[in-house]
Amino acid sequence: GQQVMQIPQYQHVQEGEDFTTYCNSSTTLSNIQWYKQRPGGHPVFLIQLVKSGEVKKQKRLTFQFGEAKKNSSLHITATQTTDVGTYFCAGDYGGSQGNLIFGKGTKLSVKP
Amino acid sequence: DAGITQSPRHKVTETGTPVTLRCHQTENHRYMYWYRQDPGHGLRLIHYSYGVKDTDKGEVSDGYSVSRSKTEDFLLTLESATSSQTSVYFCAISPSGRGNGELFFGEGSRLTVL
Repeated sequence: GQQVMQIPQYQHVQEGEDFTTYCNSSTTLSNIQWYKQRPGGHPVFLIQLVKSGEVKKQKRLTFQFGEAKKNSSLHITATQTTDVGTYFCAGDYGGSQGNLIFGKGTKLSVKP
Repeated sequence: DAGITQSPRHKVTETGTPVTLRCHQTENHRYMYWYRQDPGHGLRLIHYSYGVKDTDKGEVSDGYSVSRSKTEDFLLTLESATSSQTSVYFCAISPSGRGNGELFFGEGSRLTVL
């Protein structure tokens, strides 16, 4: 079946360092979404990327969608303790309504 | 806030007992979803609904059933709970009106099956 692979599984950084998580699909995606889940919380929608090669920024967060629409990345510049949580990508393969496939997430911890 | 309420938020039950989780939305969105979240597996779709009495299976639907008799309520039922169904269950809605638009999640229901 369709799978979205996300790496790394865990990332420990010192506050101020940068952080990147990557998602890869073996087949072309219609679009990709990113979510953040704080410890003990629920996933919160961050952004959706639709176009090939798209780059979007939200303050210190930069989201990219690959040219082939098979991979995506989330980069955080100068991490802060408020960035702690698990970041998930979710790939939309199009077609039926329930076809959003989540990656397993990258858990980010930030040491002050 | 997307106006989603899940109940109960926490439940401990015994193997073989029936369990029903409720998801209530206040904004009459067409699409509603049930996911489960387990360590090492991320979020996996159980069932979803695209309207009253219109539901379909997701990736991990075995052992679960759903019902949607009103737009605002989406119920998830475990007919006979097993320990493998110990998990955190999240309900979600899609305000965009598209089946695969952005999702807004409820607070989650933590279920423990002993």
